[in-house]
Amino acid sequence: QKEVEQNSGPLSVPEGAIASLNCTYSDRGSQSFFWYRQYSGKSPELIMSIYSNGDKEDGRFTAQLNKASQYVSLLIRDSQPSDSATYLCAVWGAGGTSYGKLTFGQGTILTVHP
Amino acid sequence: EAQVTQNPRYLITVTGKKLTVTCSQNMNHEYMSWYRQDPGLGLRQIYYSMNVEVTDKGDVPEGYKVSRKEKRNFPLILESPSPNQTSLYFCASSLYGRSPQPQHFGDGTRLSIL
Repeated sequence: QKEVEQNSGPLSVPEGAIASLNCTYSDRGSQSFFWYRQYSGKSPELIMSIYSNGDKEDGRFTAQLNKASQYVSLLIRDSQPSDSATYLCAVWGAGGTSYGKLTFGQGTILTVHP
Repeated sequence: EAQVTQNPRYLITVTGKKLTVTCSQNMNHEYMSWYRQDPGLGLRQIYYSMNVEVTDKGDVPEGYKVSRKEKRNFPLILESPSPNQTSLYFCASSLYGRSPQPQHFGDGTRLSIL
């Protein structure tokens, strides 16, 4: 089982729709979670960070965290063609051999078509 | 301007010829890390450092060395590069404390080992 796993893509949504990206993780003690967006050939850029259970909203983006289910998601409302990119979920390790490590999922490619 | 600077951005070299990729940050971050990104595999952590003179292996450390003699610099050394180290490399930094903070990424270094 992968330590951080994202829903397989690619994901294609029409402009204006809601895009839903999901991520599960195996380290039950993890406390810090991040969503990054990466355009082709560019470096990852932070979209959201979330540390507590529940929802966190920032503009069109909402991150949801459920530590009991070891699940974190990202919703993009009113999707725009400029949102087309690869989305990366990242989880900080809590302890043991994972302490200090940041593990990324394999990424989900999102395409928003006009 | 707060930034992580990697050099070189592109490098084509041959098997066995030692090379160093430099990384420098101007944000006084304690934590620095190196990642490689390969198609379908996402970002994988090579080495990380939580402070000066403290380095630890990530998930794919084989064939790489690092050092952290100064807080701002974290070079990646390939003593004897091989073709399977052809990849896109990213350096990143962040604050690290009770709640690990998001990573700031450099622009990437594309390495081709022939």
